[in-house]
Amino acid sequence: GAVVSQHPSWVICKSGTSVKIECRSLDFQATTMFWYRQFPKQSLMLMATSNEGSKATYEQGVEKDKFLINHASLTLSTLTVTSAHPEDSSFYICSASRGTGGGQPQHFGDGTRLSIL
Amino acid sequence: AQTVTQSQPEMSVQEAETVTLSCTYDTSESNYYLFWYKQPPSRQMILVIRQEAYKQQNATENRFSVNFQKAAKSFSLKISDSQLGDTAMYFCASLGKTGTASKLTFGTGTRLQVTL
Repeated sequence: GAVVSQHPSWVICKSGTSVKIECRSLDFQATTMFWYRQFPKQSLMLMATSNEGSKATYEQGVEKDKFLINHASLTLSTLTVTSAHPEDSSFYICSASRGTGGGQPQHFGDGTRLSIL
Repeated sequence: AQTVTQSQPEMSVQEAETVTLSCTYDTSESNYYLFWYKQPPSRQMILVIRQEAYKQQNATENRFSVNFQKAAKSFSLKISDSQLGDTAMYFCASLGKTGTASKLTFGTGTRLQVTL
């Protein structure tokens, strides 16, 4: 168990467009979901943590109005990149955890490659 | 605050041989968890192994084992009988055990190439 589905896997769109990425836990309830950004050949950078039914907690330097996160249910979180520009092009990965207590491993989606033209 | 350091950007090992990837960390947590994740070219992050800091016994998962040295804050990963499918980026990560503040902190990764 512990499968996380992320969709779409790859999106190309024009500058100024808003793009929504979905992250679903398929076989477990995810109290907490995380959104990461990964630049080529670099590590994962945590963007925000979302708990079901409450506002997301953003890391320092991440624009809340640019990266809108919604965690409406225990199996779905969405990341919307608003008015995307070329500098937003990156690989975005979500992960889901069964609980907020420590020790719960995060299970990752396959990632979304976002290319803004 | 937590930091994770992986000092080996790239490593290479021949098929069937054993390789050890290094990781050191620093944390202010009294109890914490350590992980190794694998990211193959497909870019999916796959959990390889998990270690609870309060357990002295080193975690083992089939061909993967860790050498956890708590006093030295070292958490190395040993891959035995390396296979071509082990070729990937390996990330060491720490997780603090503090309720809703639990966050994974990743190292910069080690790129492992398994050769014939």
